[in-house]
Order: sequence, then C-alpha cells, then structure tokens
Amino acid sequence: DIVMTQSPDSLAVSLGERATINCKSSQSVLYSSNNKDYLAWYQQKPGQPPKLLVYWASTRESGVPDRFSGSGSGTDFTLTISSLQAEDVAVYYCQQYYSTSITFGQGTRLEIK
Amino acid sequence: QLQLQESGPGLVKPSETLSLTCTVSGGSISSSSCNWGWIRQPPGKGLEWIGSIYYTGSTYYNPSLKSRVTISVDSSKNQFSLRLSSVTAGDTAAYYCARHEIYNSASGSYYLRWFDPWGQGTLVTVSS
Repeated sequence: DIVMTQSPDSLAVSLGERATINCKSSQSVLYSSNNKDYLAWYQQKPGQPPKLLVYWASTRESGVPDRFSGSGSGTDFTLTISSLQAEDVAVYYCQQYYSTSITFGQGTRLEIK
Repeated sequence: QLQLQESGPGLVKPSETLSLTCTVSGGSISSSSCNWGWIRQPPGKGLEWIGSIYYTGSTYYNPSLKSRVTISVDSSKNQFSLRLSSVTAGDTAAYYCARHEIYNSASGSYYLRWFDPWGQGTLVTVSS
C-alpha cells in the first residue's frame, strides 16, 4: 500500500492568516503518461461527512472557495488556505488514487488560534 | 442533486456479520462514469477505504479487509450494500457510502479516482 503521511497532526492559525497542511506519499503518485498527480484533498467538519476540495493535486472542486489551493507533485503535496475563516475549522485529509488500493492520510486538525 | 443514505443496524455482536445498505437518489446507480464505495472511520480516527463496486458487479476491495468484505449492487432498487463478516470491536466505526469517480479506458478497464459526494454516515458499534 502507498502510505500517506500528513503534517502537522494539528495546527492553530489566526483568523485571516495562512494555513498550510502537508501530505507526503511513500511513493510517487505522479503518473508519467499523463503528467498528473493522483491526489485529492477533503475537508471534514465536526459531525459531517468529508467533502471533496481538490483533485489532481491542484484542481479545485466546483463551489470550493478560491482561498483553498493545492500544490505539489510526485511525493510531496500541500493544501493552503490563504486567509483562514472561522468556517474552515475542520480536519483535512489527503487521499491517493494512484494505486487501486486507495489510502488516506491520518488527517490534520485545523483550529483557530 | 445526487444524494446517498446509509441504513442498517447500529449494533452488531462480535463474530457476527455487519450489513449496511446505501440508497442512491437523484441519479442512477447504473451510471458508467462511477463506482460506488464504502469508507469507514473509527471514532476520533481517520478514514479507511473498504471497497468499491461498479454497476456490473465488478469490485475493488481494500486488501486488509478483502477476506471479510462483500459489496453488492441492486440496480432495481438503486442501492448497493456492504457485508463485513466476523466483526470485532475494532470494526466499530462510522460507515460512509460515496460515489467513487472513475476513468474508463478505451481498453475497457477502469481506474479509481476520488469520492464525491458522501452520505451522512451511520455509526455501527460492535458489542455484546
């Protein structure tokens, strides 16, 4: 299995400040034939199911605010929230779909400082 | 708007079989553009993919659970189901169903992608 490791496990950021969450895969999730990274990001608010934010490492899902952005390639990825809003408090997960054995990161809890 | 809803017992005894159903509304489960997946989340912990099924019945399973999992589809009811056998306390979790995006290749194979949307989830506790 491809192991996905997120850092940090938890993060506290002031309102309006930038939040950065990292995700590292145990092997590259870049598919050379189409030059795409097989990685998605989700947001899970308390008591709710996960919500898709980003796929192909950097493509925002329709309706997701543009303060959310994904970047990175190969084995190292980042989800950035450019200006933290109160409604962004949640746990964030990365997921690889390079392998047919789908795996998620352990999650990063984002709170307000 | 596609919606998914899980249903089934909230309490299962150890060694028995957990059975859940996901009802899809607002779209057809016989779509050729997606699979239908199950994901679970132990209380306070992260997400674990269980498996996914295509409307034809073709399945992909998490290797760590494969020996105990069966996922099936009932197109007439627009539902798909999960069975997990020989459960233990470690199987206590919120179980989610979700639409699993796929890519259909020209060769007839398909490749798994991301999950969207998800059902609200149902908590299943394994206890005697």
